[in-house]
Amino acid sequence: ELKVEQNPLFLSMQEGKNYTIYCNYSTTSDRLYWYRQDPGKSLESLFVLLSNGAVKQEGRLMASLDTKARLSTLHITAAVHDLSATYFCAVDRGMYSGGGADGLTFGKGTHLIIQP
Amino acid sequence: NAGVMQNPRHLVRRRGQEARLRCSPMKGHSHVYWYRQLPEEGLKFMVYLQKENIIDESGMPKERFSAEFPKEGPSILRIQQVVRGDSAAYFCASSRTGGNGYTFGSGTRLTVV
Repeated sequence: ELKVEQNPLFLSMQEGKNYTIYCNYSTTSDRLYWYRQDPGKSLESLFVLLSNGAVKQEGRLMASLDTKARLSTLHITAAVHDLSATYFCAVDRGMYSGGGADGLTFGKGTHLIIQP
Repeated sequence: NAGVMQNPRHLVRRRGQEARLRCSPMKGHSHVYWYRQLPEEGLKFMVYLQKENIIDESGMPKERFSAEFPKEGPSILRIQQVVRGDSAAYFCASSRTGGNGYTFGSGTRLTVV
């Protein structure tokens, strides 16, 4: 059974600081997704990482993927209050088409609070 | 260019009633997925459907829950004889064949009273 583990599950940090959220998964996969969810809202796609060594950046967020270590990281640089949200990583279930669009297994999420 | 449309946004049902949740995938997408999110939890996969076919329902509870994606019309997630434990947010996502991502709807928040 595919497992996706995020840590930390809860993170409170001050504006201007840097931090990293970690996502480990238990089976071979070369597709990993990061989403943001605000309270009571849907999921906003942040990054889709499709291969080993992939690195993507958008604003103060940068995501990377190491398929050999089965690890992805989401790095926050110089955090601002607007980044407060819950962040999920997810991995393709890949049970039918060798990694195709077969649905996702999600981590439990990291609740991020950024204080002024 | 509408995204994934779910309705209703909020649904209140009394214990024992039926709940029907609807999802229209994004234009050009033929794959639909349903997820359930309990409070303070991540999303849990329930079922994967293509038109007129259930591909994988391994995440669906064995009783009271069913899903369909007919040739015409939206995908429907049906919960019969709802219980308080069914209260959750239900999200639908869609993707296209060979695509590299999923688009999520806004969710239906089901409350069972």
